[in-house]
Amino acid sequence: GESVGLHLPTLSVQEGDNSIINCAYSNSASDYFIWYKQESGKGPQFIIDIRSNMDKRQGQRVTVLLNKTVKHLSLQIAATQPGDSAVYFCAETPGNQFYFGTGTSLTVIP
Amino acid sequence: DGGITQSPKYLFRKEGQNVTLSCEQNLNHDAMYWYRQDPGQGLRLIYYSQIVNDFQKGDIAEGYSVSREKKESFPLTVTSAQKNPTAFYLCASSIAGGNNQPQHFGDGTRLSIL
Repeated sequence: GESVGLHLPTLSVQEGDNSIINCAYSNSASDYFIWYKQESGKGPQFIIDIRSNMDKRQGQRVTVLLNKTVKHLSLQIAATQPGDSAVYFCAETPGNQFYFGTGTSLTVIP
Repeated sequence: DGGITQSPKYLFRKEGQNVTLSCEQNLNHDAMYWYRQDPGQGLRLIYYSQIVNDFQKGDIAEGYSVSREKKESFPLTVTSAQKNPTAFYLCASSIAGGNNQPQHFGDGTRLSIL
């Protein structure tokens, strides 16, 4: 089966600092990746996606980096705010089905 | 506002009872999905449907059933055959299935056993 995991289950950062959340994937055939944010009691919210023909993609305060050589994905959040506190998880797909990581819980300290 | 609506937010099931979770979307998406979320685990696919009147089993379909009679609706029934139904159930949709399109989620239904 697929193995999509995160290096760190929890991450605490000071408000205003940058956050980096990592994800490893095992299927070299995966060509599309998504980062989701999930707040307590809610459904996952799409943050940003990236296709395998790209190494980097930027959104508003977020950047996703893809390293296909080592099958690694990261999410960078700039100037982290208290509202960023949530569980973040990655998803990968080789085209037929998505496989989801277990998530990293991000806590922003005011 | 366009989105995915799941109801109810909380649901309790008695022994031997079937319960149905509702999922409605007004995004005009062709594909819809049901996932189960358990603590410490990634989302696991129960069933998916790429088009009206068609659906496929996912990785953990046993004890569940679905229907897709309308494009906007994809209800999930948790049958009495599902022996460990306590979980957070998430419905998602995408423009089309299998074409590397993002899935968008509802806010889930938490099912518990009485």
